[in-house]
Amino acid sequence: VQLVESGGGVVQPGRSLRLSCAASGFGFNNYGFHWVRQAPGKGLEWVAVVWHDGSNKHYADSVKGRFAISRDNSKATLYLQMNSLRPEDTALYYCARLFGNFPGMDVWGQGTTVTVSS
Amino acid sequence: QSVVTQPPSASGTPGQRVTMSCSGSSSNIGTKYVYWYQRLPGTAPKLLIYRNNQRPSGVPDRFSGSKSGTSASLAISGLRSEDEADYYCAAWDDNLSGVVFGGGTKLTVL
Repeated sequence: VQLVESGGGVVQPGRSLRLSCAASGFGFNNYGFHWVRQAPGKGLEWVAVVWHDGSNKHYADSVKGRFAISRDNSKATLYLQMNSLRPEDTALYYCARLFGNFPGMDVWGQGTTVTVSS
Repeated sequence: QSVVTQPPSASGTPGQRVTMSCSGSSSNIGTKYVYWYQRLPGTAPKLLIYRNNQRPSGVPDRFSGSKSGTSASLAISGLRSEDEADYYCAAWDDNLSGVVFGGGTKLTVL
């Protein structure tokens, strides 16, 4: 059972970036997924969640209208499209498998770092 | 400022029992399940407690969770040096329609 994030990097403010999270070892289609981030020196911040079938999505107020969570069940991959990036979006981004109720996250990736800087 | 608050630090000596609190409101902890996560240095977070007081398989019974009203607590008994980590509580918030994490408590084992 594994989640592997990719797509992080250094990007200028206002630009876009897409993160990916490849899942393996379990039935991807049966689970919802979260994105969670941690800015340098800060605590965990929830970003977004998507249902197992992609029918429902929720976002943190801090990213609403700029970020979009999606999934491709045929590729067992979760995505986070990040637009209009701001310096405060600089963080280590994790994908995590939904477990139980919404705050539940039982499998985590290793994270991918996004740095927004000019 | 998070809508769910945790003390920034806690400490204890090996073998001791320590507790850490998580305070919220009726829109989150008061009506929703609380989850706890442990983040060891340099590693991804790990689910420690779910649905207020349930432990996933593999989590030692030294860890226990409880909830009363709009507050929750995590207790660690028989404290060990490897328990030194950051601990986060989380809950769904109906007003925000999202997950809220507490600011985290850094546990130091003296």
